[in-house]
Amino acid sequence: GQNIDQPTEMTATEGAIVQINCTYQTSGFNGLFWYQQHAGEAPTFLSYNVLDGLEEKGRFSSFLSRSKGYSYLLLKELQMKDSASYLCAVVEGNSGYSTLTFGKGTMLLVSP
Amino acid sequence: DGGITQSPKYLFRKEGQNVTLSCEQNLNHDAMYWYRQDPGQGLRLIYYSQIVNDFQKGDIAEGYSVSREKKESFPLTVTSAQKNPTAFYLCASSIWTSGNTIYFGEGSWLTVV
Repeated sequence: GQNIDQPTEMTATEGAIVQINCTYQTSGFNGLFWYQQHAGEAPTFLSYNVLDGLEEKGRFSSFLSRSKGYSYLLLKELQMKDSASYLCAVVEGNSGYSTLTFGKGTMLLVSP
Repeated sequence: DGGITQSPKYLFRKEGQNVTLSCEQNLNHDAMYWYRQDPGQGLRLIYYSQIVNDFQKGDIAEGYSVSREKKESFPLTVTSAQKNPTAFYLCASSIWTSGNTIYFGEGSWLTVV
């Protein structure tokens, strides 16, 4: 099993930068995903990290430190449409099977 | 177009009834999953399947059943034993190697009336 923690809610202003943290405790770590989910919709893929370091993709970046069990998602130049829930998910492999376990999500509210 | 199709989108169930949610994918993915999401909560894994005719329980399998008779299909039955079935259900699939993105269906809303 594993434990994934992320803040429940965050607020930020349009145009600003926000960092959403995720900590995890797991065995057989095989990678970490970040997903965006708007209310009533399926999650959509944002990023994937399996090695330590920063992955940048447009306005979104994701960082991973495997030794610390820590990741963050960095959102730059915030837009109103970025208001959504952001889910951290960890891939855990065990005896030939891998599963993807999600945190409870961080609800981000972007205000004008 | 390739993708994952869930049906129905909205479903109402009377207490004591079983109901089956359909999930079909044409992505040729080996692995398929069912997640449950409650309001304001993350996704919790119900069942997953790596290959045809094989599936594993997730974290909250009690009161649910699945089958994997075909690679493309992974239906979920919510039985009367599931005491609090009202939730948003998401089916997903992936190529069975680490680092491959998991693809989600559009979800099914189940309400018990």
